Amino acid sequence: SAVISQKPSRDICQRGTSLTIQCQVDSQVTMMFWYRQQPGQSLTLIATANQGSEATYESGFVIDKFPISRPNLTFSTLTVSNMSPEDSSIYLCSVVTGSGGGQPQHFGDGTRLSIL
Amino acid sequence: AQSVTQPDIHITVSEGASLELRCNYSYGATPYLFWYVQSPGQGLQLLLKYFSGDTLVQGIKGFEAEFKRSQSSFNLRKPSVHWSDAAEYFCAVSRLTGGGNKLTFGTGTQLKVEL
Repeated sequence: SAVISQKPSRDICQRGTSLTIQCQVDSQVTMMFWYRQQPGQSLTLIATANQGSEATYESGFVIDKFPISRPNLTFSTLTVSNMSPEDSSIYLCSVVTGSGGGQPQHFGDGTRLSIL
Repeated sequence: AQSVTQPDIHITVSEGASLELRCNYSYGATPYLFWYVQSPGQGLQLLLKYFSGDTLVQGIKGFEAEFKRSQSSFNLRKPSVHWSDAAEYFCAVSRLTGGGNKLTFGTGTQLKVEL
């Protein structure tokens, strides 16, 4: 499976600031996703990162708060904007490397974000 | 809409004992089902997957899972637990949409292993 690198692995930020998280894959992938995992919770899909076009956001998530870029088939960024303590979470990117239905997603190690 | 239920939030087993983690799903068609494990400070690692065919699937680290359509279940099992298996386990179901596969996760089961 693909090797997925996320940067930074963790950060502590001040409220009102923004942070950009990078997701780099060592091979071209068909799909990239961004998830949020709030403390003690399961994973919630934020959006699908589409190569060369705007991301597709899930209900409850908006582009102004979580802008996403995907300039090519191996790289994506997620920005958490105007952060508040409620944004303290683990943010994970995942990728699908094959085609066809039911291909599994593979995850990076996540970015642990704390907002003061 | 699909959903996944993991009824056990926490489970404690002794090292060497057998393990079964429960997962029930709700989905209108044949599901794609997955089990992932998350160790502390790490991302999610895929343990096994079910697409079709044999309902008993083998995964990594000695885990297996059985798909039972009549019970809408996909329970994870291991015959003998090791201390290193202590982690959080997530069951997930995939739906195929125009935007590709999207995973819906259960709430997770935290496994503690007593030595």
